[in-house]
Amino acid sequence: AQTVTQSQPEMSVQEAETVTLSCTYDTSESNYYLFWYKQPPSRQMILVIRQEAYKQQNATENRFSVNFQKAAKSFSLKISDSQLGDTAMYFCAFMKYRGAQKLVFGQGTRLTINP
Amino acid sequence: DAGVIQSPRHEVTEMGQEVTLRCKPISGHNSLFWYRQTMMRGLELLIYFNNNVPIDDSGMPEDRFSAKMPNASFSTLKIQPSEPRDSAVYFCASSLAPMRGIRPNEKLFFGSGTQLSVL
Repeated sequence: AQTVTQSQPEMSVQEAETVTLSCTYDTSESNYYLFWYKQPPSRQMILVIRQEAYKQQNATENRFSVNFQKAAKSFSLKISDSQLGDTAMYFCAFMKYRGAQKLVFGQGTRLTINP
Repeated sequence: DAGVIQSPRHEVTEMGQEVTLRCKPISGHNSLFWYRQTMMRGLELLIYFNNNVPIDDSGMPEDRFSAKMPNASFSTLKIQPSEPRDSAVYFCASSLAPMRGIRPNEKLFFGSGTQLSVL
């Protein structure tokens, strides 16, 4: 079974700073997907970024980027130039490459961006 | 497309009552997932359907929970009788499951969730 661990329950930074959220996972699969989801107070689950394990290049989406270390089973999210609207819960998630599209989530990190 | 639609957005009920949560997946999607979110357990998969058939219900907590998908555009999650520990946010998500031999589709689309409070 796959497990996903987010070791930082809460983080807080000032607006415009850079922040990194940590995520580690455990799996015996050789290929899979990793995701970061954002959940603002509206409760909506918003896909921020995804990474395919067989791709060595780290994914980037505007101010969001990941540091994917496959051997270490680590998948951190970096938010550059943080904005007040980035305040939310962030979930790291795992999905097998083949078979059912079941997402396994970490416990989440509550990120607060202060003005 | 309106996205995945869940109703109601909020539900408050008393212990022992029956609760029914509803979900309309995105048109054309053939996989549907029910997730539950609590402070203690985070987000956990309860059950998922493929082509209206339940494939894996190993996450359903107990017999008080049941889920149905009578057609491709509608699913329900029922709790009978409800208990205070069932209080949570229940999410529905849908996707287009990959066909054999075709690159997997990893994109799940989530509804806005139903906040259930059992008093």
